[in-house]
Amino acid sequence: GENVEQHPSTLSVQEGDSAVIKCTYSDSASNYFPWYKQELGKGPQLIIDIRSNVGEKKDQRIAVTLNKTAKHFSLHITETQPEDSAVYFCAASTGNFNKFYFGSGTKLNVKP
Amino acid sequence: NAGVTQTPKFQVLKTGQSMTLQCAQDMNHNSMYWYRQDPGMGLRLIYYSASEGTTDKGEVPNGYNVSRLNKREFSLRLESAAPSQTSVYFCASSERIPEGHSGNTIYFGEGSWLTVV
Repeated sequence: GENVEQHPSTLSVQEGDSAVIKCTYSDSASNYFPWYKQELGKGPQLIIDIRSNVGEKKDQRIAVTLNKTAKHFSLHITETQPEDSAVYFCAASTGNFNKFYFGSGTKLNVKP
Repeated sequence: NAGVTQTPKFQVLKTGQSMTLQCAQDMNHNSMYWYRQDPGMGLRLIYYSASEGTTDKGEVPNGYNVSRLNKREFSLRLESAAPSQTSVYFCASSERIPEGHSGNTIYFGEGSWLTVV
């Protein structure tokens, strides 16, 4: 099955700086890569996703890049704010199976 | 606009006791899932149901059973709880992906914190 690895496990940045979280996947059939944000005591919520026919996608301060050849994808958060502090999960899915494989999570701490 | 609702939110069990986690979604999704979340291990799939009437094992199914009661509801049962099942459990749902299409968002509930002593 698919194996998703995520780095770093913790990330501390100063408010206003950028944060980058990286994930690799093993199954070349994976074609959908969502990112989730989980706040303390809550369930994960989708913040951005990318499909395998796209190399980059942006939504305001958040962007995701995908390199299919190298089988890795990254989350970029610019101009970080304290409310960005949370745990972020990447995931990979092969289209027809409705199964999502998650990375182990990155705890982002944005210091004011 | 409830989305995915799971109960109970918190539960403490003694080793050997049984319990059922309930989950319901109001988004008319076909697929539903149960995940467990442990520190440093991300979210691991326990069981999923691609559509009403079907269930399949995920990565860590041992010690659990599931029932897809109808399209809305998907329950997770621990028959004889063990301390290793202390975890946070998340129910989720998504629309079934049509053949030839890729990717669909899954929506999570708020989580159920289970402690087995």
